Amino acid sequence: GENVGLHLPTLSVQEGDNSIINCAYSNSASDYFIWYKQESGKGPQFIIDIRSNMDKRQGQRVTVLLNKTVKHLSLQIAATQPGDSAVYFCAERGNYGQNFVFGPGTRLSVLP
Amino acid sequence: GAVVSQHPSRVICKSGTSVKIECRSLDFQATTMFWYRQFPKQSLMLMATSNEGSKATYEQGVEKDKFLINHASLTLSTLTVTSAHPEDSSFYICSALRTGGDEKLFFGSGTQLSVL
Repeated sequence: GENVGLHLPTLSVQEGDNSIINCAYSNSASDYFIWYKQESGKGPQFIIDIRSNMDKRQGQRVTVLLNKTVKHLSLQIAATQPGDSAVYFCAERGNYGQNFVFGPGTRLSVLP
Repeated sequence: GAVVSQHPSRVICKSGTSVKIECRSLDFQATTMFWYRQFPKQSLMLMATSNEGSKATYEQGVEKDKFLINHASLTLSTLTVTSAHPEDSSFYICSALRTGGDEKLFFGSGTQLSVL
């Protein structure tokens, strides 16, 4: 089933610092991973993706790292800005079709 | 870039009425779309997978007759909440899978359903 939680983990960072958001995934056969940003009352916004044949991918101010050995995914945001404040979700696509399973989410708060 | 349009963004209805939510992929064809439900401060819960030209695949615990899904074209999937009740109040989100060389999953902006 999907991950459900009553309280989102929260990460607070100072404006200008780097942020690292972590995600543990469950299926060792997952082949595709995505990070999303969701602001209050809005749908998730695609940030960056990575396939299982890669261990690192960089975008604008964001980097995704994939460690298949320990089934861990991370999102690094450089020079965090107030506009980065949101809930971040990781998603994995497993070997059971094209369904994506979402992590519980992490709330990022950027302090002035 | 690719865009998924979801309408309406907010709907308030009386208990017992039906509500239809539309999800459109604007610049790509999507044979597969997904419908999610999200409660406050929680992650997305997959309700069903919508397949163009065939019946939707529902997740365990999701009532097929309650949440009707129609994917009549490669750019449109609809979710109808039939005989809505207050417990159906939630944030509903759709997504569309763009396949091909640059495969990506894009989301709609969500629909906040409030049933009085």
